[in-house]
Amino acid sequence: DQQVKQNSPSLSVQEGRISILNCDYTNSMFDYFLWYKKYPAEGPTFLISISSIKDKNEDGRFTVFLNKSAKHLSLHIVPSQPGDSAVYFCAPLSNFGNEKLTFGTGTRLTIIP
Amino acid sequence: DTGVSQDPRHKITKRGQNVTFRCDPISEHNRLYWYRQTLGQGPEFLTYFQNEAQLEKSRLLSDRFSAERPKGSFSTLEIQRTEQGDSAMYLCASSGRPGQSGELFFGEGSRLTVL
Repeated sequence: DQQVKQNSPSLSVQEGRISILNCDYTNSMFDYFLWYKKYPAEGPTFLISISSIKDKNEDGRFTVFLNKSAKHLSLHIVPSQPGDSAVYFCAPLSNFGNEKLTFGTGTRLTIIP
Repeated sequence: DTGVSQDPRHKITKRGQNVTFRCDPISEHNRLYWYRQTLGQGPEFLTYFQNEAQLEKSRLLSDRFSAERPKGSFSTLEIQRTEQGDSAMYLCASSGRPGQSGELFFGEGSRLTVL
């Protein structure tokens, strides 16, 4: 069962424009949501997170929005830069138990100069 | 501190052989995780240690897989009698900073190819 879905395997965006990456989940026990970024031949790196008690968290060019009723979150990057080209993973977490992340399938973002 | 390191970075083996991967976490981190990533998929949880105790194992971790973390420092992941379906990137991650739930620090991974 795929608890975390990122339905867009790839996305291309012009440099300077907004990139919007989406993530849907089914497990209502998830209460903390993280985004990871992965460059080729490197491990994933933490980007930004949001707790289920919030609906928005902003960090510089990155903003994550959470809609708990729809079980949907999105990552906005604005303005998009060439260095943002990477694979982005949504990774929710349930704090009941351990810190086991459940990763989505990822979205490959390409920023076009 | 150079982050999480994994060894070897690449391993090619024949079906039926045993392989072992090593992970050295960030020194002050007490939690260590193993994940597996196959092409087109996100990382999948395999197992998790808090210090030397292995607290959870995924059902993905068949009896051919064993992980250890002696003395709560480095960890090894051994795959016995490898199969072609074991070909994947094996990622190690560590964490341990209070108040930073879920923020795992990943190594660069060990890529396994089983011929």
